[in-house]
Amino acid sequence: EAQVTQNPRYLITVTGKKLTVTCSQNMNHEYMSWYRQDPGLGLRQIYYSMNVEVTDKGDVPEGYKVSRKEKRNFPLILESPSPNQTSLYFCASSLTGGFGNEQFFGPGTRLTVL
Amino acid sequence: GQNIDQPTEMTATEGAIVQINCTYQTSGFNGLFWYQQHAGEAPTFLSYNVLDGLEEKGRFSSFLSRSKGYSYLLLKELQMKDSASYLCAVRDRDDYKLSFGAGTTVTVRA
Repeated sequence: EAQVTQNPRYLITVTGKKLTVTCSQNMNHEYMSWYRQDPGLGLRQIYYSMNVEVTDKGDVPEGYKVSRKEKRNFPLILESPSPNQTSLYFCASSLTGGFGNEQFFGPGTRLTVL
Repeated sequence: GQNIDQPTEMTATEGAIVQINCTYQTSGFNGLFWYQQHAGEAPTFLSYNVLDGLEEKGRFSSFLSRSKGYSYLLLKELQMKDSASYLCAVRDRDDYKLSFGAGTTVTVRA
């Protein structure tokens, strides 16, 4: 089944404790992206990747890191999480970054930073 | 970056038509998307417009006017399952960033 998977789905952590949220897609997509969703603000893009070893900042990259060493994986790293990073996170992928290629979203990761 | 505006909430009756407007101000434009998101779920793709005009897909249609920075999503023959949030997203021309509006929550009543 074609899908985007994220792990973990739920995470409660404490300020300053490094964490990684994994994202994997099995559709051989070139474009991958991370978003956070907060009430009243909608989806905001954190980072995106056009292909392996190519990553770019979205609108809210501060406090986050990403890497794209393999085509299928695009982990999101929070080196020192803070309470303002409490949010619902979505990973998404599409065939390419251009044209009308729809993005397929993972199920989401709900992160709480205490 | 992009500045994207859409209404916060809309309510309509089952079987009716609802039009969700989206206006945007952009430094560069390379396509507009509409996504549907049910509560507690991930967004799913509805439509894509890059040229002016109307794109029809079953009960859903999407319209774009690039000169006016305006789009709408038209939902016809509303069903209870259409109760969801509808997200307008604009892609930047130069760097393929995707910016979303805050979403419009549509409630369909019997």
